[in-house]
Amino acid sequence: AQKVTQAQTEISVVEKEDVTLDCVYETRDTTYYLFWYKQPPSGELVFLIRRNSFDEQNEISGRYSWNFQKSTSSFNFTITASQVVDSAVYFCALTATGANSKLTFGKGITLSVRP
Amino acid sequence: GAVVSQHPSRVICKSGTSVKIECRSLDFQATTMFWYRQFPKKSLMLMATSNEGSKATYEQGVEKDKFLINHASLTLSTLTVTSAHPEDSSFYICSARDGNRGSGEQYFGPGTRLTVT
Repeated sequence: AQKVTQAQTEISVVEKEDVTLDCVYETRDTTYYLFWYKQPPSGELVFLIRRNSFDEQNEISGRYSWNFQKSTSSFNFTITASQVVDSAVYFCALTATGANSKLTFGKGITLSVRP
Repeated sequence: GAVVSQHPSRVICKSGTSVKIECRSLDFQATTMFWYRQFPKKSLMLMATSNEGSKATYEQGVEKDKFLINHASLTLSTLTVTSAHPEDSSFYICSARDGNRGSGEQYFGPGTRLTVT
């Protein structure tokens, strides 16, 4: 069985602060994918990143960076110099490979960035 | 590429009526589509998985006769909420997986907000 734990439920920061969103996962699969999605108030899920289990390289995209550590089964997401527009719910998710593999979501973290 | 549309985006209906939500993959063939339900301030809950031309596989606790899913083509899946009641009010999101890619990625529609009065 797969499980994704996002222990933080709500985080509030002031603009320009850095913030890290934690994600810990459990799976018995040797090959899997990890994702982060952003859900703004409009409700639409915005894809942020996909990481293959074989690729442990950290990734940086602008103000966003991700730290994938298989040894601790974590896939943490850091926003540098946060902005008000970053306010949203962020979901970490996990899926095995295979066409019918289900995507398991964490409970989500509500991030509020105050001006 | 990889755009998924949902229609309608919002719908209000009366108790007892049925509502159909469409999910379309616009620029790829979706061999598998998924339907999720999301309650306010909650995570996405998978309702069912559908493959083109076959019956949907429902998650435990989801009523098959209440939530009818039809995946008639490689670009269209529909969810019909039958005899809707106020407790069916929710945000419904579909996703589609590109059969030609092995990335595991699901492309999400923008969601449909259903309100049953």
